[in-house]
Amino acid sequence: KQEVTQIPAALSVPEGENLVLNCSFTDSAIYNLQWFRQDPGKGLTSLLLIQSSQREQTSGRLNASLDKSSGRSTLYIAASQPGDSATYLCAVNTGGFKTIFGAGTRLFVKA
Amino acid sequence: DAGVTQSPTHLIKTRGQQVTLRCSPKSGHDTVSWYQQALGQGPQFIFQYYEEEERQRGNFPDRFSGHQFPNYSSELNVNALLLGDSALYLCASSLGSGSPSLTQYFGPGTRLLVL
Repeated sequence: KQEVTQIPAALSVPEGENLVLNCSFTDSAIYNLQWFRQDPGKGLTSLLLIQSSQREQTSGRLNASLDKSSGRSTLYIAASQPGDSATYLCAVNTGGFKTIFGAGTRLFVKA
Repeated sequence: DAGVTQSPTHLIKTRGQQVTLRCSPKSGHDTVSWYQQALGQGPQFIFQYYEEEERQRGNFPDRFSGHQFPNYSSELNVNALLLGDSALYLCASSLGSGSPSLTQYFGPGTRLLVL
């Protein structure tokens, strides 16, 4: 059974700091991995999608890496800003139509 | 281009009642998935509809049922509500060609409170 874990559960950093969010999954046979952002009480916004054949994806100040063999992904946020404050969710697809999410990392960037 | 829309935004029900939540997918999308997100948790997959049929289901009881209409919009029905059904219900749309490689687009959710 695929399980997704995100560490840390919460993180508070000063503005301008570079930071790394971690995601681990128990079954390396994934089809893709996706990072989402969720603002309080809102829906999810897709940030990056990494196919199983890829090692990383970049969008602006965000970079996500994928290491299938070790069951890990990291989301790197450069030069964090208060507007980056949100919950970041990692989700994997194992080839079916079901997406499995982690519980998320709540990020607070202090001005 | 309208994204994924859901209605209502908030809903309060009492135990034992029934509720219907609605979702309109992003323009051009034909697949709708439903998720339940309890407070402080990640979303949990309920089921997915494609071509008006349920094609995969998560670990949810039969009290949870759905429907997809010819225009690809979808409804989630929950019968005999329990306090534990209180959650944010999210709808996501995608292209249902059969490939899971395409990203899902999420709606803003319906917040359900069961008293």
